Amino acid sequence: DIQMTQSPSFVSASIGDTVTITCRASQAIGDWLAWYQQRPGKAPKLLIFAASSFQSGVPSRFSGSGSGTHFTLTISGLQPEDFATYYCQQADSFPLTFGGGTKIEIK
Amino acid sequence: VRLVESGGDLVQPGGSLRLSCVGSGFTFSDYWMTWVRQSPGKGLEWVSDIDQDGSVKYYVDSVEGRFTVSRDNAGNSLSLQMNSLRAEDTAVYFCARRGMTTLTKWFDPWGQGTTVIVSS
Repeated sequence: DIQMTQSPSFVSASIGDTVTITCRASQAIGDWLAWYQQRPGKAPKLLIFAASSFQSGVPSRFSGSGSGTHFTLTISGLQPEDFATYYCQQADSFPLTFGGGTKIEIK
Repeated sequence: VRLVESGGDLVQPGGSLRLSCVGSGFTFSDYWMTWVRQSPGKGLEWVSDIDQDGSVKYYVDSVEGRFTVSRDNAGNSLSLQMNSLRAEDTAVYFCARRGMTTLTKWFDPWGQGTTVIVSS
């Protein structure tokens, strides 16, 4: 199975900050990676697919990059609605696996 | 596009439960569909995928042989039959739409989730 390791697990940040989350795959997955946002008590929401492609309606302050085993999600200029937990997911092979999550909280 | 799950409940260890998910606002039969679960306070775990006509199915090892995914395209519905339930199956179960092809293994949108609690 492909293991997905996210870091950091927790980020304390302020409105307007830029935050970068890293996701590493235990083996190369090309650009078969997705990022999701989950607010408390809600279902996850797809932000980025194919490592760097925006899902429709996602604000441009979100960006994804990377390929192979190293990927990043950057949020440039945090907004109040961005305080949530973010998950990466490898979309290369079964079983599909998620990272452990990164929770962004207000400093 | 909307997905609505139902069927979650409190069930004893060893028991069975059937979850359902109804899709609307899109051509249900055009898409792979997925079940993902989230244990209390934990992260996300992919559970099962099914292709458009129900002929191809995938499962995470921990549910293989106990859970069965199926779909009824005429009724725009997805099901997950869960047998021999264990405490570790306790979770919120989400259904989600996958892409149209075998390559598009990301999920959008997701339903609101239905809660399964396995406890005596």
